[in-house]
Amino acid sequence: SQQGEEDPQALSIQEGENATMNCSYKTSINNLQWYRQNSGRGLVHLILIRSNEREKHSGRLRVTLDTSKKSSSLLITASRAADTASYFCATEISSGSARQLTFGSGTQLTVLP
Amino acid sequence: NAGVTQTPKFQVLKTGQSMTLQCAQDMNHNSMYWYRQDPGMGLRLIYYSASEGTTDKGEVPNGYNVSRLNKREFSLRLESAAPSQTSVYFCASGGSYYGELFFGEGSRLTVL
Repeated sequence: SQQGEEDPQALSIQEGENATMNCSYKTSINNLQWYRQNSGRGLVHLILIRSNEREKHSGRLRVTLDTSKKSSSLLITASRAADTASYFCATEISSGSARQLTFGSGTQLTVLP
Repeated sequence: NAGVTQTPKFQVLKTGQSMTLQCAQDMNHNSMYWYRQDPGMGLRLIYYSASEGTTDKGEVPNGYNVSRLNKREFSLRLESAAPSQTSVYFCASGGSYYGELFFGEGSRLTVL
């Protein structure tokens, strides 16, 4: 079963606009991470937010976390054509002897030039 | 640094054949993971290894076996491939305090 679910499944915007993607999850987490995947490539880590944090910034990325609503959002400001990719949220829970990440099904972002 | 390296990148098998996917990381990470990615399903954890000598089942382990050969290498074996195992397989490693994973480029497997 999917711990994280992204919304929307697909998003198409013009270059220069902001893109917002949302993630909802079901159980308590240690942290929530966002990853990016370009077509045909592996996933690349973007940003991590801990369960006791509410907002985090990294360059043009802004992530928020609301643990009461079990949701997170990823905002990409001033988008570029090169931001076209799939974006996945991943939740980490404490389980067993290793960190385990559970991924959502992703949001496909298309930025039109 | 190469990061996480997976081989092969592409493979076509017939039903019932066996094969091993290889993964190696050069970041001195303790933990290594195998995920599969299917359209619309995101990534699902097959097996993971918290440290050399240990392996544990993930969400979808049936039909697979793994070996943590040493700290660098973690292999995934399909003993008798089935069409349902057609997928893209990703190896990942992690070891930092912050918990992010580093992924390989994927191995695209088709089972006919």
